[in-house]
Amino acid sequence: ETGVTQSPTHLIKTRGQQVTLRCSSQSGHNTVSWYQQALGQGPQFIFQYYREEENGRGNFPPRFSGLQFPNYSSELNVNALELDDSALYLCASSLLDRASSGANVLTFGAGSRLTVL
Amino acid sequence: KQEVTQIPAALSVPEGENLVLNCSFTDSAIYNLQWFRQDPGKGLTSLLLIQSSQREQTSGRLNASLDKSSGRSTLYIAASQPGDSATYLCAVRTTGSARQLTFGSGTQLTVLP
Repeated sequence: ETGVTQSPTHLIKTRGQQVTLRCSSQSGHNTVSWYQQALGQGPQFIFQYYREEENGRGNFPPRFSGLQFPNYSSELNVNALELDDSALYLCASSLLDRASSGANVLTFGAGSRLTVL
Repeated sequence: KQEVTQIPAALSVPEGENLVLNCSFTDSAIYNLQWFRQDPGKGLTSLLLIQSSQREQTSGRLNASLDKSSGRSTLYIAASQPGDSATYLCAVRTTGSARQLTFGSGTQLTVLP
C-alpha cells in the first residue's frame, strides 16, 4: 500500500507568479484535502475534493484553486502569488463514505515547501 | 468557530521523564480528535485518533485522553526518549464543519539525552 506523495518537495517563486502543486492519493482513497502551514503555525484547511468536485473550502481567496482527477490524484493551483503564501502545503487523502458523515481519517503527505520572494 | 489551543508552546525535558501535552477546544460538538507528530520541515504522522464516544486511546508509550464536555485532551508520553523530539499537533473534526480538521499551533518537544 503506497502512501500520499507530493511534488515538488521544494520550490521558489516570485511575487505575482503562479504555482501548481501535485498530490497522489493513497491507494483506495477517494478524497483529497489541502492544508497550508505557515512557519510556527498549525495547518489551515484550504479545501477538499471528492469525486472531482470541491465539497468544502476554508477561508482562502479564489486565487487558490484545485482539481481532482479520475484516479483521485489532485493539484493545488495558486495564482498571483503573494509573500504570505510562503508555507508548507500539505495534501491529505482519505476514504469518504456516506456512513461516516465526513468523519474520515486523513493520511498526510510530506508536503511541498513554497517560498515566494 | 472552532478554536484549538495547545499549551505549552515549547517544552524541554530530560530523557526518561514522563510528560503531558495539553490541548483544548472551544466547540465540544466534535466527531473525533487526533494527535499528530511533525518532524522539522516534514509532513504529519498520525499518532492517535479518539472518537467522540471514547475516553482514551493508547499506543505503546503514548496515551491520549479526551474529555469532550470540558473541551480538553491530553497526550501522555511515558519514559521520553531523544527520538520523541518533534512538534506535536492536536486537531479536531467538528460536526458543524466535518470536511476539515482544525489544528492547534503545536507543542515543540525537546528531549535532552
